[in-house]
Amino acid sequence: GAVVSQHPSRVICKSGTSVKIECRSLDFQATTMFWYRQFPKQSLMLMATSNEGSKATYEQGVEKDKFLINHASLTLSTLTVTSAHPEDSSFYICSARERGGTDTQYFGPGTRLTVL
Amino acid sequence: GDSVTQMEGPVTLSEEAFLTINCTYTATGYPSLFWYVQYPGEGLQLLLKATKADDKGSNKGFEATYRKETTSFHLEKGSVQVSDSAVYFCALKASSASKIIFGSGTRLSIRP
Repeated sequence: GAVVSQHPSRVICKSGTSVKIECRSLDFQATTMFWYRQFPKQSLMLMATSNEGSKATYEQGVEKDKFLINHASLTLSTLTVTSAHPEDSSFYICSARERGGTDTQYFGPGTRLTVL
Repeated sequence: GDSVTQMEGPVTLSEEAFLTINCTYTATGYPSLFWYVQYPGEGLQLLLKATKADDKGSNKGFEATYRKETTSFHLEKGSVQVSDSAVYFCALKASSASKIIFGSGTRLSIRP
């Protein structure tokens, strides 16, 4: 089956630093990748949708200058949290939709970010 | 706008009990409906889906039927196991959109 990986799985950083999270589709090409944020015991909130080779589309209320998304290839999207603050601590999950496939999104295992 | 409402948890059951987690939705047109499961510390896994009215999605003993008339997609399992303990999310995707809208999630705990 389709597999999506994320790296790192956990990251702890100091306030003010930037953190990059990678999302890879391992056995398929993904024209569209999605980035979600999940607060403890809450649902997933879509942050942005990224299409390969074009700018990401951000959901209302999500700061595009703070959460930089790059989707440079059909198998890799990155989310960079710039100048991270403690309130950015969260579980970040990506998903990918297969090129030419169905509408099914395949989810990565998530990255837990803790900002001290 | 489109939305998903699912029963609040936590739900605690004994092993081999019957499970129902209610889910209703609001959407225009004919969305696709999904149940995702999230095990502790992991990302989401697609459990089952249905793409049109009266479709039944099933997987690992879980079932859900797309009911257009009641705008529901309740998740059921006849006999739960301890390994079913997880958070379950009901979700929809409008036919004209790419994003998935999730319910708030229901935490399920199964006692041995």
